[in-house]
Amino acid sequence: AQTVTQSQPEMSVQEAETVTLSCTYDTSESDYYLFWYKQPPSRQMILVIRQEAYKQQNATENRFSVNFQKAAKSFSLKISDSQLGDAAMYFCAYRINTGNQFYFGTGTSLTVIP
Amino acid sequence: KAGVTQTPRYLIKTRGQQVTLSCSPISGHRSVSWYQQTPGQGLQFLFEYFSETQRNKGNFPGRFSGRQFSNSRSEMNVSTLELGDSALYLCASSSGLAGETQYFGPGTRLLVL
Repeated sequence: AQTVTQSQPEMSVQEAETVTLSCTYDTSESDYYLFWYKQPPSRQMILVIRQEAYKQQNATENRFSVNFQKAAKSFSLKISDSQLGDAAMYFCAYRINTGNQFYFGTGTSLTVIP
Repeated sequence: KAGVTQTPRYLIKTRGQQVTLSCSPISGHRSVSWYQQTPGQGLQFLFEYFSETQRNKGNFPGRFSGRQFSNSRSEMNVSTLELGDSALYLCASSSGLAGETQYFGPGTRLLVL
């Protein structure tokens, strides 16, 4: 079974500081993709970052980067220089290469403290 | 390109009624997936349609059904509504090709009284 676990229901960070959100997944597949999505309060879910499992290099998007540890099945999201607009629910998601079904974690609610 | 659109945005129904939600994917996308989002359960996958065929299905009762039209627009229907069906229903579209990202609509918030 494919499962995605986000063990931190809530996190907080001081503005301008760095925070890391954890995600682990369970799969027997070798070819898959990992995603972090952000859902601001009462707003649309948007893609933050995407990682292909076959790539060893960690994906980065401006202030957002991941630490992808394939052997450990870990996919954490690091947010640098946190801004008030980063406050949102963050979802980790996984999909295998041969299907289009996404598996989501239960989310981490991030609060940014001014 | 226009994003994923969902209608209606808000809906109030009573137990036992049925409801139909609509989703228009990004132009050119052939895959539409539906999710139920609740505070306690997170995002639960309902089903995915690709080129008018259901390609994947989650673990929801048969009261939840869907379809996709030739223009890739999709509808989701819930019959005999229960209080527990109150949720945000999200639609996501993608090209349907391996590895492609899903793009989400704003959701339809359904309240069952």
